[in-house]
Order: sequence, then C-alpha cells, then structure tokens
Amino acid sequence: EAQVTQNPRYLITVTGKKLTVTCSQNMNHEYMSWYRQDPGLGLRQIYYSMNVEVTDKGDVPEGYKVSRKEKRNFPLILESPSPNQTSLYFCASSLSDRGTEAFFGQGTRLTVV
Amino acid sequence: TQLLEQSPQFLSIQEGENLTVYCNSSSVFSSLQWYRQEPGEGPVLLVTVVTGGEVKKLKRLTFQFGDARKDSSLHITAAQPGDTGLYLCAGFGGSNYKLTFGKGTLLTVNP
Repeated sequence: EAQVTQNPRYLITVTGKKLTVTCSQNMNHEYMSWYRQDPGLGLRQIYYSMNVEVTDKGDVPEGYKVSRKEKRNFPLILESPSPNQTSLYFCASSLSDRGTEAFFGQGTRLTVV
Repeated sequence: TQLLEQSPQFLSIQEGENLTVYCNSSSVFSSLQWYRQEPGEGPVLLVTVVTGGEVKKLKRLTFQFGDARKDSSLHITAAQPGDTGLYLCAGFGGSNYKLTFGKGTLLTVNP
C-alpha cells in the first residue's frame, strides 16, 4: 500500500530539547516536503527536497532543519524547540515538483511547553 | 507571493442541502487540486483540474476550474454527514513553481 509514514503521531516536549520527527515514503517519490498546519494560517511549507541531498527552504524554515540522505526518508529536526513551534506537522511526498498529487502522512501533533 | 483565498471559512449545513465553496486568486495556475482532510488525518487528493473551464465530477461533488485558471469551485449536492471535513484547494504554477494551499473551508454536515 502506497503510504507516507510519520512518527511519532503525538509528542509533548520541553523548550530546548532537540527532537526529530521521522518521515518515510514507499512510492519512490523524488519530491518530499514538510508543512505545519495552524488554525487560521492553513498549511505552510517548512522545507522541501527535490531529491537525495537536495533540500531548500519553504515559507517558514526558521528553527527547523531537514536532511535527505536516502530517497525514502526525510526527517524534520528541531534543534531547540520553542513554544511557537507547537503545531500539527505533515510530511508529504509526490512524484515530482510539477503539481503532481501530494500524498500526506497522518500528521504529528507537537506540543512544546 | 501567490495567495489562494477560500470562502467560506466555515460552513455548517443540514444533511441533504447543497453547497458551494470557492477558491480564488489573482494569479494564474497551471493546475489546481482539491483535497479533503478529516480530523486526525492528512489531506487526501479529491481531484486535479488542469484546463480552463474544465468541469470534473466525483459522485455528488462537482469541481470547476475558471476559464482564466485563477479560480475554482467545489459544489456538493445533497450533502451527507460523511462529507464533513476540511476542504483545501491548492494551486500549482505561476512564478514560484510550487504548490500553494488555501486556508481551507471547514464543512460540517449535520444529520
């Protein structure tokens, strides 16, 4: 079954404690991206990757890092989380960056206290 | 920055009613997608429209892409509680060659 898998689904952490949210896709997609979803602000892109070792900033990259060492995995790293990073995070993958269907993970609800 | 404005932001209706949600922009898009997001899940693609004036039907859902490819609408006939969810439009194209999402329309269909 084609899917994007994120872990964990829920996470509560304290300010400044480094964390990683994992994302894996089994569709051999080249394009992967991370979004955060906040009430009233919609889905905003954090980072994206067009292929292995190729990543770039999205609209709201501050406070986040990503890596793409393998095609299937695209982890999101928060080196020093702050309360304003409390949000619902989604990983997505698509065949290309040319408007093809985006497949989303189930989301990670992060709370930073 | 390309913006997609969705309206209404919230919509609460009774089962059996018809409704239309809108997605508007001042930018021209190569294609436009509609997604539905249910609580606790990620968005799932419903349809992609590519040609200006295109109309696509998915059971009781009718999607239309504006002639100028700047706007789109989603019409639901005889809404059912199972249609409840957040409907997101997303446009691709223009100057930044990325998928831009609207903020969504939260639809509640009451039994």
